[in-house]
Amino acid sequence: SQQGEEDPQALSIQEGENATMNCSYKTSINNLQWYRQNSGRGLVHLILIRSNEREKHSGRLRVTLDTSKKSSSLLITASRAADTASYFCATDNGGTSYGKLTFGQGTILTVHP
Amino acid sequence: GAGVSQSPSNKVTEKGKDVELRCDPISGHTALYWYRQSLGQGLEFLIYFQGNSAPDKSGLPSDRFSAERTGGSVSTLTIQRTQQEDSAVYLCASSKPGQGTYEQYFGPGTRLTVT
Repeated sequence: SQQGEEDPQALSIQEGENATMNCSYKTSINNLQWYRQNSGRGLVHLILIRSNEREKHSGRLRVTLDTSKKSSSLLITASRAADTASYFCATDNGGTSYGKLTFGQGTILTVHP
Repeated sequence: GAGVSQSPSNKVTEKGKDVELRCDPISGHTALYWYRQSLGQGLEFLIYFQGNSAPDKSGLPSDRFSAERTGGSVSTLTIQRTQQEDSAVYLCASSKPGQGTYEQYFGPGTRLTVT
């Protein structure tokens, strides 16, 4: 079963707008990662936030983590058509599961030119 | 440098046949993971190799699935007596968790279709 639950399942916006995706999880984590997938093939790592961090930035990406609510959000600012993809959150639960990722169901983002 | 490579990129097989899927991780990455992605189940963890430790096989769906990693590098995922529900994209990833680098680098996947 998937630990991460993401919403929305699908998001459609215009170029230039911001896109926000949310992820919730159930158990404690070592870190949480966001990945992008184009055309249903290989995933590309976007950003990692550790359990003791609350916010992280990378270019046009901003990730927040609220461990008390077991939730994270990914914000893409000034979106571009090239950002069209599926976005997945993944949790690394540490402990005996060290390094093993549990993925959410993903958000399909469509950015219209 | 070279990324994670997988072969074949596509595989069509008849129900009941065995298949082998190959993964070449990034050089120097000690950890290697196999995942499966299908429409109904999303992305599922299958198996995890880390260095010389015993692999974490907790995600393998049945005893028809097995994997090995030779010499700490190349890995082969074998599915015996394939069933139609095995149809999915099989993704391999590698990382360097021992050096505090937790992000995983994924290959392009092998699309398996069982007819």
